[in-house]
Amino acid sequence: GDSVTQMEGPVTLSEEAFLTINCTYTATGYPSLFWYVQYPGEGLQLLLKATKADDKGSNKGFEATYRKETTSFHLEKGSVQVSDSAVYFCALSGPGSARQLTFGSGTQLTVLP
Amino acid sequence: GAGVSQSPSNKVTEKGKDVELRCDPISGHTALYWYRQSLGQGLEFLIYFQGNSAPDKSGLPSDRFSAERTGGSVSTLTIQRTQQEDSAVYLCASSHGTSGSWGTGELFFGEGSRLTVL
Repeated sequence: GDSVTQMEGPVTLSEEAFLTINCTYTATGYPSLFWYVQYPGEGLQLLLKATKADDKGSNKGFEATYRKETTSFHLEKGSVQVSDSAVYFCALSGPGSARQLTFGSGTQLTVLP
Repeated sequence: GAGVSQSPSNKVTEKGKDVELRCDPISGHTALYWYRQSLGQGLEFLIYFQGNSAPDKSGLPSDRFSAERTGGSVSTLTIQRTQQEDSAVYLCASSHGTSGSWGTGELFFGEGSRLTVL
């Protein structure tokens, strides 16, 4: 079945550092890929998405590129801020289960001033 | 309200008791989901409602779990004879849900109901 593997956290960075959170997936066919973020005390919210190979999703300075050849969707940001501290979830929607999202286990990011 | 509302936010219960968790989705959203988030685990799909169609219950872990959605709006997740392994955060999400717009993949989540079974 479909699955998502994220790099384990927690990740602690200083402000303005470069961020990468790795995400790889296993799915049949061509899934859509997503990053969701959960800020403290809030519900999950969509951060960015990509629906086909080589698409780049971007939002709030975060980017992720759909790499079919490596089945990856790594999240990057060039300069993190304290306000980026949150839990980040990689997810996919496979063509066989388009009404469900399969999530990774989440990566806790803490950015220190 | 503007977002997905869940209640209670916290529930502590004794093993063997029944619990009900409520979700009030965003007005106009036809699709409603329940997920479970256990410590250190990803989000586990439980059940999905779309309009008046029969729900997709494929993620329910046992027959102690059930859910209903009344009037195409509010949903209740019921866990009977709770066990300690049921302790988790139960998340509800809603979306526009029509097959033509599903491809956006955007679910709107509530803040969750944290269940602790002693």
